[in-house]
Amino acid sequence: AQTVTQSQPEMSVQEAETVTLSCTYDTSESDYYLFWYKQPPSRQMILVIRQEAYKQQNATENRFSVNFQKAAKSFSLKISDSQLGDAAMYFCAYWGSGGSNYKLTFGKGTLLTVNP
Amino acid sequence: DSGVTQTPKHLITATGQRVTLRCSPRSGDLSVYWYQQSLDQGLQFLIQYYNGEERAKGNILERFSAQQFPDLHSELNLSSLELGDSALYFCASSDGDYNEQFFGPGTRLTVL
Repeated sequence: AQTVTQSQPEMSVQEAETVTLSCTYDTSESDYYLFWYKQPPSRQMILVIRQEAYKQQNATENRFSVNFQKAAKSFSLKISDSQLGDAAMYFCAYWGSGGSNYKLTFGKGTLLTVNP
Repeated sequence: DSGVTQTPKHLITATGQRVTLRCSPRSGDLSVYWYQQSLDQGLQFLIQYYNGEERAKGNILERFSAQQFPDLHSELNLSSLELGDSALYFCASSDGDYNEQFFGPGTRLTVL
């Protein structure tokens, strides 16, 4: 079974600084998708960024980028120029490509605080 | 706004009762997923429906059941409720297996 591990329960960053959230996963599949979701205090789950495992190029969405290391099974999220609105719980999630694995497997989350 | 709607937003009920949570997916999305978020278990996949058919099952209790109707809306039925069932229940939808899942705002269930 696939597992997703976020080793940092909490992180903090100063406004305008850069922070990196870590995520590792375990899988025997060769093709899969990885996601970072953001959950602000409103509790809404919002997709931040997505990475297809077959793509070597790291995904980027404005101030958000990932460092995808397939061999190491690592998928970290970098937030540049942090803003107060980035404060939220961030979840790393895995999505398998085949078989009966039609589900997102989530990590436990990292609570990000942004200090003014 | 993700386009996924869930009702009700909040639900407070007593142990032993039965409740129904409703989800309307984004227009055109055939897949509906249900997730449970609790403090101790985190975010867990419960069940998926695709165009009316059950497609995958996760950690869903036997006291829980779901269905997807011809108009593609879905309902999650929770019965014989226990205190531990108190959680945030999310519905998500997608237009394909490997595409982004869009989450609804969730239903907060409190069992007293």
